[in-house]
Amino acid sequence: GIQVEQSPPDLILQEGANSTLRCNFSDSVNNLQWFHQNPWGQLINLFYIPSGTKQNGRLSATTVATERYSLLYISSSQTTDSGVYFCAVRPSGSARQLTFGSGTQLTVLP
Amino acid sequence: EAGVAQSPRYKIIEKRQSVAFWCNPISGHATLYWYQQILGQGPKLLIQFQNNGVVDDSQLPKDRFSAERLKGVDSTLKIQPAKLEDSAVYLCASSYDRERLMYFGPGTRLTVT
Repeated sequence: GIQVEQSPPDLILQEGANSTLRCNFSDSVNNLQWFHQNPWGQLINLFYIPSGTKQNGRLSATTVATERYSLLYISSSQTTDSGVYFCAVRPSGSARQLTFGSGTQLTVLP
Repeated sequence: EAGVAQSPRYKIIEKRQSVAFWCNPISGHATLYWYQQILGQGPKLLIQFQNNGVVDDSQLPKDRFSAERLKGVDSTLKIQPAKLEDSAVYLCASSYDRERLMYFGPGTRLTVT
């Protein structure tokens, strides 16, 4: 099956800092989503971005499908950004739903 | 709009007992998913429904896990008998169709002792 690798596995920042999270995938995809899992376990969708660039407030994401990676940018980080960020993909031509990576644990310190 | 509802939120059972989880998706969402998330890992798909039909259950341990979605709305996931390694959070999600954003419920945390 498709492999999804996220880096870094852990990231600790001071409030106000910027960060970039990376997701590499091993096959072509037709669906890619970024999620944030807060400390209480709730998964919130951030972006549906199989290709191109999107922005939502302090967050933005870019997927370069031909090179099989996606980046999530967090600017001016806040303590509420803490949690685990997951990338999830579906291979092109597959009926199966999203395969998740192992996540990036982000801790933002006040 | 109301989100995905799940119950119970927490459950503790002994091994070899049975347990059932319930999910009510967002109204109008045809696609429903059950994921298992073991501590420190990403969610793993167990089963995917399109309306009340199964699209993918290739990772569902069918000797002990079963799921149904009657009338294409609510769904239940059952484990019988439970094993220690079933301790995890069971997440239900829904989407309008499989091309769209997925919305997750709060999950059910299962502890098998």
